[in-house]
Amino acid sequence: GQQLNQSPQSMFIQEGEDVSMNCTSSSIFNTWLWYKQDPGEGPVLLIALYKAGELTSNGRLTAQFGITRKDSFLNISASIPSDVGIYFCAGDNYGQNFVFGPGTRLSVLP
Amino acid sequence: NAGVTQTPKFQVLKTGQSMTLQCAQDMNHNSMYWYRQDPGMGLRLIYYSASEGTTDKGEVPNGYNVSRLNKREFSLRLESAAPSQTSVYFCASSVNYEQYFGPGTRLTVT
Repeated sequence: GQQLNQSPQSMFIQEGEDVSMNCTSSSIFNTWLWYKQDPGEGPVLLIALYKAGELTSNGRLTAQFGITRKDSFLNISASIPSDVGIYFCAGDNYGQNFVFGPGTRLSVLP
Repeated sequence: NAGVTQTPKFQVLKTGQSMTLQCAQDMNHNSMYWYRQDPGMGLRLIYYSASEGTTDKGEVPNGYNVSRLNKREFSLRLESAAPSQTSVYFCASSVNYEQYFGPGTRLTVT
């Protein structure tokens, strides 16, 4: 089946630093989504991208839909302690079969 | 507005026992999904329902059955639980290709 790769698998950063993570696929997707999951909770949607090349921001978060439709990246600026969690990317075609990456675990050191 | 709710939150089963995980959404979404999440593997789709009365298999459907009781409710049944089904189960609903998740059910099969 389709698989997504996320990198890095985990990262430790200092509070205030910027963060960059990405997601790649061997297949193309029409929609890319980024989620954050806190311990013991379900994933929460952060950003949805619908068009190749699209760049979308949500507060300190910025995500881009790759031109090839096979990748996406997420940037977090000026990290704060509550950014800690697991970030998942997901690809979708027409809302029928979402495929999730394995996640990037982010730790923020004070 | 509760969003997506799941019951129970925790469950322990013995091998061979059966149980049904309940999911309900109050957002009037047509599509609903069941995922399982295992450590380091992201979320894998078990079954989805594009609309009331329809269900389709996802990536890992073996050992599970689903029922889309009405537009609000989508249940997942394990007929004969196995230790390999120990996992965290998430229900989700979607609109415009954006998924919204419930808080999860942590299931342990001994």
